[in-house]
Amino acid sequence: AQKITQTQPGMFVQEKEAVTLDCTYDTSDPSYGLFWYKQPSSGEMIFLIYQGSYDQQNATEGRYSLNFQKARKSANLVISASQLGDSAMYFCAMRGVSGSARQLTFGSGTQLTVLP
Amino acid sequence: DGGITQSPKYLFRKEGQNVTLSCEQNLNHDAMYWYRQDPGQGLRLIYYSQIVNDFQKGDIAEGYSVSREKKESFPLTVTSAQKNPTAFYLCASSIDHGSSQPRYGYTFGSGTRLTVV
Repeated sequence: AQKITQTQPGMFVQEKEAVTLDCTYDTSDPSYGLFWYKQPSSGEMIFLIYQGSYDQQNATEGRYSLNFQKARKSANLVISASQLGDSAMYFCAMRGVSGSARQLTFGSGTQLTVLP
Repeated sequence: DGGITQSPKYLFRKEGQNVTLSCEQNLNHDAMYWYRQDPGQGLRLIYYSQIVNDFQKGDIAEGYSVSREKKESFPLTVTSAQKNPTAFYLCASSIDHGSSQPRYGYTFGSGTRLTVV
């Protein structure tokens, strides 16, 4: 079974600074995808960024980048130049290609608060 | 615009009542999912459907039921057997259920907040 671990229940960052949200994973699938979602207080889940296990380069989407270290099984999200609107819950997730691993499995989330 | 519509946004249920949460998508996605989220917690899978007229139990299916009579629709019924139904419910869809391409993530609806009164 695959598993996602987010060890930071809460994080604080000063506006305009960068912040790293940690995510480690465990899977036996040779091919898998890693995702980050943002959940504001309104509740909807917003897709931020994707990294494939065979991608040679780390994914980037605007102010979001994914620090993918395959050997360490980590997929940390880096948010540069934090904004007040970045305050939200952030979930790391993954899906594989075999059996129940094809479902998207979520971590427990990190609550990020951006301070003015 | 394509997307997922969940209704109602807020729902109140009396003890012993069944209630049905609606989820409709116009993305032409094959797979649909229902998740439950408790305050400050992650998402737990209730049911999923890979194709019309087929669905499978997730991790916490007890006390819930679903149907998938149309590709666009995947309603969730919270039955009286669910002893602690107060939670936030999210519906999601995906192009398919994974196959050999794990890059397809899920598109989520805006959620239904269910409260037992």
